[in-house]
Formats: sequence, C-alpha cells, structure tokens
Amino acid sequence: DIQMTQSPSSLSASVGDRVTITCRASQSIGRYLNWYQQKRGKAPNLLIYAASSLQSGVPSRFSGSGSGTDFTLTISSLQPEDFATYYCQESYSTLMWTFGQGTKVEI
Amino acid sequence: EVQLVESGGGLVQPGGSLRLSCAASGFTFSSSAMSWVRQAPGRGLEWVSAFGATGGATYYADSVKGRFTISRDNSKNTLFLQLNSLRAEDTAVYYCAKETVTSQNYYYYLDVWGKGTTVTVSS
Repeated sequence: DIQMTQSPSSLSASVGDRVTITCRASQSIGRYLNWYQQKRGKAPNLLIYAASSLQSGVPSRFSGSGSGTDFTLTISSLQPEDFATYYCQESYSTLMWTFGQGTKVEI
Repeated sequence: EVQLVESGGGLVQPGGSLRLSCAASGFTFSSSAMSWVRQAPGRGLEWVSAFGATGGATYYADSVKGRFTISRDNSKNTLFLQLNSLRAEDTAVYYCAKETVTSQNYYYYLDVWGKGTTVTVSS
C-alpha cells in the first residue's frame, strides 16, 4: 500500500502569509495527487487535481506542484476563510486510494 | 445543480448492520464512478470503497473488506454501502463522492461530495 505523509501536522500563520504544505508518497505516484480543503463540520472540497491543476471555482492563491514522491500545496496570501484542514490524496493505486493525515492551518 | 445526499446512518450495536444510501442528481450518474470516504471523530479522511462507472468493478479498503459491500442502482441514481459486522472503529461520518477522470493520463479525483451521514457503533 502507498503511504502518504503530510508535514507539518499543523501550523499557525497570519493573514497575508505565504503558506506551504508538503505531502510525500512512499513510492513514486507520478502526478496522481489531489489536494482537498475541509472546514470544520463540512465535507471536503477539491482544490487541486493531478498535482497542479486548479479546480474550477477555487481561488488562484492556491497552487500545487511536484511529481514522483514529493508534492507541495501553496497558499500565496493566506485569507481568514482559509482556516481549515488540508489533505493530500493519491489516485495512483488501482485498488485503493490513500489520504494523508491532514494539515491543520490556524490563522 | 450537482448534488449528493447521503442517508441511512444511525446508532447500531457492535456486530450489527446498516445500509447507507447516496442519492445523486445533476449529472449522469450511470457514467460516473463513485466512492465512499469516512472520517472518524477527530480523525482524518479514510477512503472506504469505490464502484467503477463501467464493468461493475468494486474496490475496498483492507479495513472493511469482507464486511462492507458497495452497490448502485443506476435507474434510481443511487449508490449504496451495506455495512455488516460493525465494530466500534467503524464509527464515523460517511461521505459519498463522485469521481471524475481526465481524458488525458486518466487522473482521478473526487470533485463532488455529499454532506455525510453519521454512523455510531456502540452498545
């Protein structure tokens, strides 16, 4: 099974800061990596798919990069509504998918 | 509007069963692969099961294999998850999600999610 490890597990940042979250896969997954945002008590929301493609309707301050085993989600200028937990997810596996453990962003 | 609405959650004793439903609208359900993802209280997301769009292929996480069964009724635009032999560790919010795949390179992702239904396994 592919293991996905996110870092950090949590972070505190101020409005306007540039925030970077890292996700590492236990084996190469090409660009089969998605990012989701989940606000407290809500369903997850897709931000980025295929490592760097921005989902329709998602603000351009969100961006993704990486391939192989190392991936990054960047928020260029943190906004108050970005307080949430962020998850990476691999879609490389044929039989099952794995999420990272999550990164909680506190403003 | 593309929408997924889960139902069927509740309180069940260990060893019991539940059947979750996910009603889909606003898209061609029969052409879409679908997944169930769960989240235990205070924990992260865990992919549970998927049903392919064509061919009827089904997939399960090791943690539920042999106990859960995914199925769909395309005539009713509904996805199901039968939960048997439930354990305390199955307590979670269960989300239904629609899969989309890119036409090039077949990148899969979950682009539409329901609000979830809560399953509590306790005596």
